[in-house]
Amino acid sequence: IAGITQAPTSQILAAGRRMTLRCTQDMRHNAMYWYRQDLGLGLRLIHYSNTAGTTGKGEVPDGYSVSRANTDDFPLTLASAVPSQTSVYFCASSDATLPRNEQFFGPGTRLTVL
Amino acid sequence: GENVEQHPSTLSVQEGDSAVIKCTYSDSASNYFPWYKQELGKGPQLIIDIRSNVGEKKDQRIAVTLNKTAKHFSLHITETQPEDSAVYFCAASKGMDTGRRALTFGSGTRLQVQP
Repeated sequence: IAGITQAPTSQILAAGRRMTLRCTQDMRHNAMYWYRQDLGLGLRLIHYSNTAGTTGKGEVPDGYSVSRANTDDFPLTLASAVPSQTSVYFCASSDATLPRNEQFFGPGTRLTVL
Repeated sequence: GENVEQHPSTLSVQEGDSAVIKCTYSDSASNYFPWYKQELGKGPQLIIDIRSNVGEKKDQRIAVTLNKTAKHFSLHITETQPEDSAVYFCAASKGMDTGRRALTFGSGTRLQVQP
């Protein structure tokens, strides 16, 4: 069982380019999340999805979009990348039907926008 | 929205000593407080959590305490070992709707255990 995977591992991107970060989980979790991690700021929620077909905005959603066509996949798209989106991006999933909302994190994608 | 503050940002201890990391939260409706450990190059991993109806929880060398009145909670690691070296994050969440149950993280504490 792989758990939760992300691709690519790292990417250098020119400003203005479009980029999709991929996230797949095989735990059949209903909830999925995207966070960005910046030094000194911890992890901040970008977007989340309660279940397939639904999405919601987190703390820092501007410049990002997500889709949840099925249970397993939750891609994050940067329509036109800017240098301030340089960060490490983590995808997570959880079984939100349980009282203990333990989130399982992927290994992260390190994105540099030049 | 919720705001979680975490201190200290860095902590260095000698092997065998105890380490304490403290967090405060702003929203009195928060009712779930997990702690995550992040090793270099990896995603965070849950190590212990506590719900608001409990004041203390212990798991081997790790314990968490919660003071609802003061809105702060702490992570205690006893008999520290070099493999405890990592970045630790506290977090808080509330409610049953997944959006509201999404975690608000503290800024992290880099713990270094000196052999």
